[in-house]
Amino acid sequence: GQSLEQPSEVTAVEGAIVQINCTYQTSGFYGLSWYQQHDGGAPTFLSYNALDGLEETGRFSSFLSRSDSYGYLLLQELQMKDSASYFCAGDTGGFKTIFGAGTRLFVKA
Amino acid sequence: EAQVTQNPRYLITVTGKKLTVTCSQNMNHEYMSWYRQDPGLGLRQIYYSMNVEVTDKGDVPEGYKVSRKEKRNFPLILESPSPNQTSLYFCASSSSSGRAKNIQYFGAGTRLSVL
Repeated sequence: GQSLEQPSEVTAVEGAIVQINCTYQTSGFYGLSWYQQHDGGAPTFLSYNALDGLEETGRFSSFLSRSDSYGYLLLQELQMKDSASYFCAGDTGGFKTIFGAGTRLFVKA
Repeated sequence: EAQVTQNPRYLITVTGKKLTVTCSQNMNHEYMSWYRQDPGLGLRQIYYSMNVEVTDKGDVPEGYKVSRKEKRNFPLILESPSPNQTSLYFCASSSSSGRAKNIQYFGAGTRLSVL
């Protein structure tokens, strides 16, 4: 089957760098997306990797290695407002989307 | 303003009483989807639609129905709700072309309680 694994929680200090990993078991994902969700809010799109390698968008970067079935989201210069849940999502090539269970990030002062 | 609008935002109902959650998008997106979110389980796809009159099951379709008669609307129907359908529901939409397919825009969510 298709599933994505993420750590349930990560804690980091304001101003630091944190990496949220996503590993997947699947017959084939074509790419990996990342979404952010604040408590009580809707998921919002952060990034999408269709190709292996690193994609950078401001303080956020996302990496994909399809040969290793692995990706990560990197958040730099952490701010308190980055405290949220982060979800990876697999692109199945069609319109079906598989989400990981999410990683709750706590940013401490 | 580009948005996905869900109604109602909160709903309490009783077992067996049919209900509909509406979803509308103003971005002319071909693709629309419904998810449910439960603690520790992330977002699970219920149904999705690739365009008008084209729908397909996601991972957890049991107990739900959908229809796509117009491009902008994608209602979620619970014919006979049960307590295990108590959850937070999200509607999402995206363009169907290339990379944009993977950029989904979500509604604000509908919190449903079935007693």
